[in-house]
Amino acid sequence: DVKVTQSSRYLVKRTGEKVFLECVQDMDHENMFWYRQDPGLGLRLIYFSYDVKMKEKGDIPEGYSVSREKKERFSLILESASTNQTSMYLCASTRGSIGNEQFFGPGTRLTVL
Amino acid sequence: AQSVTQPDIHITVSEGASLELRCNYSYGATPYLFWYVQSPGQGLQLLLKYFSGDTLVQGIKGFEAEFKRSQSSFNLRKPSVHWSDAAEYFCAVGGGATNKLIFGTGTLLAVQP
Repeated sequence: DVKVTQSSRYLVKRTGEKVFLECVQDMDHENMFWYRQDPGLGLRLIYFSYDVKMKEKGDIPEGYSVSREKKERFSLILESASTNQTSMYLCASTRGSIGNEQFFGPGTRLTVL
Repeated sequence: AQSVTQPDIHITVSEGASLELRCNYSYGATPYLFWYVQSPGQGLQLLLKYFSGDTLVQGIKGFEAEFKRSQSSFNLRKPSVHWSDAAEYFCAVGGGATNKLIFGTGTLLAVQP
């Protein structure tokens, strides 16, 4: 079975801190994604990566950056956390060929105080 | 513009009753359609997907969905709901080599005894 793991289930940070969210997948997937999930807004794509060291902005990239140094690992970085970044963050991965479903991690609930 | 609409934010059904969750999409090319389920505190799990062929697709947990191109719809159905089906359900549309998905805002299902 595909497994996507995220480094923390719950995280509490202070405004202005630099925050790292880590995601690891074990199925050699080419594509990886970071979403944030907020009530009433569904899932919104922050960034995605289609190969090592390659990345593209999603719909809401402001305030975030990403890093993909190894194929299995995709990191989301909040350079200076703000209270409006309090949210559930979901990582997903998928094979590069068309039509494959995305597999999701359990999510990280981040609270910025 | 590409989009997914789930018009029902919250639905309550009685255990044993039938269920239909609505999903409408707008997508320029041939869509790949997905339904995911999210149990409380969990990541998303794929219920079923449609790419081509038979417009009625079967998924896990007794769910099915019907693709209607003329109505741009992909509604999810289950003939008899179980208490364990209480969760949030997301419809998504995608395509292209990166398998990016556009998600609806979700429908929260409550099941009453």
